[in-house]
Amino acid sequence: SAVISQKPSRDICQRGTSLTIQCQVDSQVTMMFWYRQQPGQSLTLIATANQGSEATYESGFVIDKFPISRPNLTFSTLTVSNMSPEDSSIYLCSVEISPEGGSGIYSYEQYFGPGTRLTVT
Amino acid sequence: QKEVEQNSGPLSVPEGAIASLNCTYSDRGSQSFFWYRQYSGKSPELIMSIYSNGDKEDGRFTAQLNKASQYVSLLIRDSQPSDSATYLCAVVMDTGRRALTFGSGTRLQVQP
Repeated sequence: SAVISQKPSRDICQRGTSLTIQCQVDSQVTMMFWYRQQPGQSLTLIATANQGSEATYESGFVIDKFPISRPNLTFSTLTVSNMSPEDSSIYLCSVEISPEGGSGIYSYEQYFGPGTRLTVT
Repeated sequence: QKEVEQNSGPLSVPEGAIASLNCTYSDRGSQSFFWYRQYSGKSPELIMSIYSNGDKEDGRFTAQLNKASQYVSLLIRDSQPSDSATYLCAVVMDTGRRALTFGSGTRLQVQP
């Protein structure tokens, strides 16, 4: 696995402002992902962030609202822009790692950071 | 729409019993399947992965996969109160993207 940290762990923000969430991993990984978990719900993928290329966004998520940076193989940021109360959620980054003894792309596993709990007032 | 379905529960079992959690998925071409455990207020923790038909055992956990039936399950033997959590089934439905599609989760309660 890997040690993944996120900053901030939680924040309370005002409507209309923006928050940048950082995700740091202790080893180099090719693929990083950003998910959202709304209260009482499961996880929904926001975007996939590969180093050296533009992030790939899922349906319903757009770059202007959720810009992502991936400057190197151990770090990524997600910005939640022009926030509204509907953006109140837990935001999680994950990294993809090939387990020991694993072979091929089917064996990759995803590990999650501790999450950022965002409340928009 | 590609989906992963789970019974939301709660599934209540007595301590020491076997807990059986089930999951179905819609994309017949899916190749990678995972079970995550999520305690309240915490992030998901990977507990099992399975890629081939059959059973895979790790300690008290056994994952079972049946691709023909598009069904994956998790058995927890000798359930403990500390196993009480939400269990999320996740599937990689697009090998190129490798992103996870999650079920809604099953809440497990182990009664002491």
